[in-house]
Amino acid sequence: SAVISQKPSRDICQRGTSLTIQCQVDSQVTMMFWYRQQPGQSLTLIATANQGSEATYESGFVIDKFPISRPNLTFSTLTVSNMSPEDSSIYLCSVENDRTKVGGQETQYFGPGTRLLVL
Amino acid sequence: AQKITQTQPGMFVQEKEAVTLDCTYDTSDPSYGLFWYKQPSSGEMIFLIYQGSYDQQNATEGRYSLNFQKARKSANLVISASQLGDSAMYFCAINTGFQKLVFGTGTRLLVSP
Repeated sequence: SAVISQKPSRDICQRGTSLTIQCQVDSQVTMMFWYRQQPGQSLTLIATANQGSEATYESGFVIDKFPISRPNLTFSTLTVSNMSPEDSSIYLCSVENDRTKVGGQETQYFGPGTRLLVL
Repeated sequence: AQKITQTQPGMFVQEKEAVTLDCTYDTSDPSYGLFWYKQPSSGEMIFLIYQGSYDQQNATEGRYSLNFQKARKSANLVISASQLGDSAMYFCAINTGFQKLVFGTGTRLLVSP
């Protein structure tokens, strides 16, 4: 499996501001994803970060609110823009490629997450 | 569309006992993968075990095993010899090949001494 780190691990932000979360992998991976986990809830996929092109967003998530960059095969950022208290969540990145296969199936491995509290 | 249902919001087990966490799924795709993840209070998601829809045998990984009943569309996680460190949230998820994991609502497991 890949070793994944996220920065920051946690932050407290004021409403109306923006926060950029970084996801770094120790090896090149094909697929990188960003998830949101609101308090007491399950994980919801925000978008797939595509290397060299615009991210693919899931229904209910837009680029203006959650801009994503992926400049290379080991790094991605997620920005939470114009934050409100409803954005308080854990944000997780995950990766998947041939090296993360289990039983022939690509398996997603997750970073440690970023806990965001918006006041 | 894929759906995962975890009907147990919370489960209690004594240390060294076995526990089963339920998961049922709904998909029209003939090929899919089922995953279990553990989320401790720290927030990270830890991959535990995988079962493919065409796998004939139930998956096992150390103390974790998956009771896969395809006709009933269930993929229950069995943890044997529970340890205090097993206390966490457990999520079942399904992937039908488009790299999109769909998660259930999770089950909180508490292991008591």
